Amino acid sequence: DTGVSQNPRHKITKRGQNVTFRCDPISEHNRLYWYRQTLGQGPEFLTYFQNEAQLEKSRLLSDRFSAERPKGSFSTLEIQRTEQGDSAMYLCASSLDQLAGTDTQYFGPGTRLTVL
Amino acid sequence: AQSVAQPEDQVNVAEGNPLTVKCTYSVSGNPYLFWYVQYPNRGLQFLLKYITGDNLVKGSYGFEAEFNKSQTSFHLKKPSALVSDSALYFCAVRGRDSSASKIIFGSGTRLSIRP
Repeated sequence: DTGVSQNPRHKITKRGQNVTFRCDPISEHNRLYWYRQTLGQGPEFLTYFQNEAQLEKSRLLSDRFSAERPKGSFSTLEIQRTEQGDSAMYLCASSLDQLAGTDTQYFGPGTRLTVL
Repeated sequence: AQSVAQPEDQVNVAEGNPLTVKCTYSVSGNPYLFWYVQYPNRGLQFLLKYITGDNLVKGSYGFEAEFNKSQTSFHLKKPSALVSDSALYFCAVRGRDSSASKIIFGSGTRLSIRP
């Protein structure tokens, strides 16, 4: 069990550019979550996959954001036309499906995005 | 709507003393409750969770939390604090009648343990 990994760890980009982040979950975990965390706040839910199906999206996830999990393993989160307000830590978590709601989410180290 | 409140932005405790980090929640029905810890420049680490049963839940690193339904609280406790416990702590809630997906996090409490 190597834990959840995220790449890159840091990304600096200019406003208007597109960025893509990758998350590799714990190998046997079928659920994958994306959260965003800004300074001084707790993580905010963005979206959730069960296997390859994206089952829920937050209204925080504007049309500039898209997430995929094509084979039910790793996931990517893309932000198009980045804005300064997108600067945040993007966290990925994974879990193993259990009785609804009881699964424990294990988090990766995050990708810190800075939009200049 | 689900929500979590952590009323203290910062808690300061001397090493060796007991510590408490407070959390209250609002959710329809019975909740699932979680505590996570975050060290600088790192992701969240799971500490413990309440699902059902015994109101006192024991977790990692000697931490425990007590579920109090009447007070809608889930305070994190440790009998004897260590300097290495200094970190940012998040309480989180998930409703049982939700889509069983997202967790709602509090804003966090910074715990500082002085030697």
